[in-house]
Amino acid sequence: EAGVTQFPSHSVIEKGQTVTLRCDPISGHDNLYWYRRVMGKEIKFLLHFVKESKQDESGMPNNRFLAERTGGTYSTLKVQPAELEDSGVYFCASSPRSPKTQYFGPGTRLLVL
Amino acid sequence: RKEVEQDPGPFNVPEGATVAFNCTYSNSASQSFFWYRQDCRKEPKLLMSVYSSGNEDGRFTAQLNRASQYISLLIRDSKLSDSATYLCAVMPSGGYQKVTFGTGTKLQVIP
Repeated sequence: EAGVTQFPSHSVIEKGQTVTLRCDPISGHDNLYWYRRVMGKEIKFLLHFVKESKQDESGMPNNRFLAERTGGTYSTLKVQPAELEDSGVYFCASSPRSPKTQYFGPGTRLLVL
Repeated sequence: RKEVEQDPGPFNVPEGATVAFNCTYSNSASQSFFWYRQDCRKEPKLLMSVYSSGNEDGRFTAQLNRASQYISLLIRDSKLSDSATYLCAVMPSGGYQKVTFGTGTKLQVIP
């Protein structure tokens, strides 16, 4: 069974540019989560989708971040415009309908210069 | 105060040693508890869930103390392959599923 996949694996952009990260959850998983790890800090929750609906977006840092999950399959996380402090590793995770275990993807390493 | 606190280490232990990590959490309403393992530049992978009665999986034993709000992980007979960062994680009650992680404890098992 394929795991959670994320694209791109790395992204280097300049401040002010836009970046879109993609996450493909494990097939059949209704729950999809985005997390972020900034250098030297703990992994922090950003938001949670149940199918195509945002269940909890309490961790989204500001309105420069936009997450979507059209059709309840893959999800995108857009950062526009990117700032230096957005640099970090963005992880996506998914879990089945009755979750406890969240399965993480390999992450996207974002560097904003 | 951080929601989940861990000693960052590193813990440098010889092969075969027993090592224990502790983690404290601040939200007394937390419902679910986990230990994740993260290898360098990789994603976190669930090592084990932690139950009130304590649970064991091979060389790994996890304990939960709700009264004192701490979680522990014991690794017996350490292997070189156990070298990694161990993340403590909690999930709140109330149907919310966001996992709150500690910063992790780095373990280096030395030959």
